[in-house]
Amino acid sequence: DTEVTQTPKHLVMGMTNKKSLKCEQHMGHRAMYWYKQKAKKPPELMFVYSYEKLSINESVPSRFSPECPNSSLLNLHLHALQPEDSALYLCASSQESSGPYNEQFFGPGTRLTVL
Amino acid sequence: RKEVEQDPGPFNVPEGATVAFNCTYSNSASQSFFWYRQDCRKEPKLLMSVYSSGNEDGRFTAQLNRASQYISLLIRDSKLSDSATYLCVVNRDNTGKLIFGQGTTLQVKP
Repeated sequence: DTEVTQTPKHLVMGMTNKKSLKCEQHMGHRAMYWYKQKAKKPPELMFVYSYEKLSINESVPSRFSPECPNSSLLNLHLHALQPEDSALYLCASSQESSGPYNEQFFGPGTRLTVL
Repeated sequence: RKEVEQDPGPFNVPEGATVAFNCTYSNSASQSFFWYRQDCRKEPKLLMSVYSSGNEDGRFTAQLNRASQYISLLIRDSKLSDSATYLCVVNRDNTGKLIFGQGTTLQVKP
């Protein structure tokens, strides 16, 4: 089973709302990632978790708050977003974050619209 | 100059054609390389991993030239279903941060 699942598939929120995106993998991977992707652009890395600890934060604004409750789950808490934050948010996982054999597997994404 | 560069295309080819994409990278210390395929409004899917000189999987062949710092992807006998954006991805420093090219769009026509 090489599946990464994400919920919800679509999310529409206002700038004052608080919402959360969820990601789950059951491949025994120890690294999980959040990416943001705008139309016709490649994914941009936001956060990396390795063994449930945050190892990389790509200078993401604090209105995005990641959380890794356990090795299978990854959340992204959203608060006071701006319309320019509308994008496809992708979760990915890999066996490890370090080392050359870092094949990352992506979930289907959450398409977020901020009004 | 971008760290990973790809020709954005689009490449328009007829069914059955052979098509090749090139990708160049700037960091000579990069250790591993990947080709991902992304369909419109879908997630990237891993197509091939390249750790040594190359890799082959059916109609798809990836080759790595470390001296010239480029990776290529060759697709033989193109199918309509091969139409997608192909992302060249470089594992530059083994931290978990992958560097993505801008993607090359392929359109296979009947």
